[in-house]
Amino acid sequence: GNSVTQMEGPVTLSEEAFLTINCTYTATGYPSLFWYVQYPGEGLQLLLKATKADDKGSNKGFEATYRKETTSFHLEKGSVQVSDSAVYFCALSGSTGGGNKLTFGTGTQLKVEL
Amino acid sequence: EPEVTQTPSHQVTQMGQEVILRCVPISNHLYFYWYRQILGQKVEFLVSFYNNEISEKSEIFDDQFSVERPDGSNFTLKIRSTKLEDSAMYFCASRADRWGDYNEQFFGPGTRLTVL
Repeated sequence: GNSVTQMEGPVTLSEEAFLTINCTYTATGYPSLFWYVQYPGEGLQLLLKATKADDKGSNKGFEATYRKETTSFHLEKGSVQVSDSAVYFCALSGSTGGGNKLTFGTGTQLKVEL
Repeated sequence: EPEVTQTPSHQVTQMGQEVILRCVPISNHLYFYWYRQILGQKVEFLVSFYNNEISEKSEIFDDQFSVERPDGSNFTLKIRSTKLEDSAMYFCASRADRWGDYNEQFFGPGTRLTVL
């Protein structure tokens, strides 16, 4: 079945540092890939997505590129801010049942300090 | 901007009691989902619903769970006899179109269920 593996957290960075959160996946077919963000006490918000190989999703300074050859979708940001502190979930969409359910990784907590 | 809403935000119940979690998906969406997140763990798929029937369900979604779209706007998740391990945050999500993974699932803010 489908699965997503994310790097363990928490990740603690200083403001303006470079961020990478690794994500690799296993899937049949051609899934779409997503990053969701969960701020403290809130629900899940879509951060960015990519629907086919070599697509780059981007939003709010975050980027991720769909790499089919390495089955990866790593999240990057050049300069993090304190307001980026949250839990980040990598996910893929696709299922044989037609429901296109999302399969999530375990989440990576990011803490950004001044 | 349209959004998915969920009620209540927090539900406390006794073990063995029935609970109904309610969701109002975005109005023109066709696909509906329930996910849950046990504290500190990953978000897990429970069930997807389309055209008034379940299209896919996970192993978690056993006979104690059911879903319903009773009136064309609400989408409910019922747990018939709650267990301690049902304590989790339950998220409802909706999607505009059946075909095409590129369509985003929009998530509600969640209902925190606490079973005592």
